Amino acid sequence: QKEVEQNSGPLSVPEGAIASLNCTYSDRVSQSFFWYRQYSGKSPELIMSIYSNGDKEDGRFTAQLNKASQYVSLLIRDSQPSDSATYLCAVNIGKAAGNKLTFGGGTRVLVKP
Amino acid sequence: EPEVTQTPSHQVTQMGQEVILRCVPISNHLYFYWYRQILGQKVEFLVSFYNNEISEKSEIFDDQFSVERPDGSNFTLKIRSTKLEDSAMYFCASSEREANYGYTFGSGTRLTVV
Repeated sequence: QKEVEQNSGPLSVPEGAIASLNCTYSDRVSQSFFWYRQYSGKSPELIMSIYSNGDKEDGRFTAQLNKASQYVSLLIRDSQPSDSATYLCAVNIGKAAGNKLTFGGGTRVLVKP
Repeated sequence: EPEVTQTPSHQVTQMGQEVILRCVPISNHLYFYWYRQILGQKVEFLVSFYNNEISEKSEIFDDQFSVERPDGSNFTLKIRSTKLEDSAMYFCASSEREANYGYTFGSGTRLTVV
């Protein structure tokens, strides 16, 4: 069973629209959740972290966490062509996982002008 | 803004050769990591390092891999005898506190084994 799953995409959205990305994880005791953005050929860049159920907003980004459903999502409002990238969900999967993050395969987002 | 520095940015090596990838973590960070990403695949954990010792390693991190913090600033990944399948992007990361708080990645070293 995969530990962190994401739809690989591509998710194509028109400029100015909302991009909605989803991520599910397998371990119920997961404690912390992150969204990273990765441009082609570049390293992952942390854009959001979320630790408790509900929504967390930061600029045009909103992360949503539902631990009961083992589900975390990212909304990108007013999408811009510069948002075109792969978005990686990362999870600290429980105490047994120690001090590391486990990454999903990423969702590629294409914002069309 | 503080950043994690990796050198070289690209390394080409012959199969069977040893390579050392270098990283300078952010100065006040205490936790260090190596990840790799094979082209088109997910970012995979290799090893975490804290208090001058390995705290965790994945099944990928076999006997041909080793890590070292030779001085107060550098953190290195050594691959003793490279294989074709070691070709990947290798990312170093560091964090001030445990992974619960996320970490900062370096720009990566693209390793090509020929």
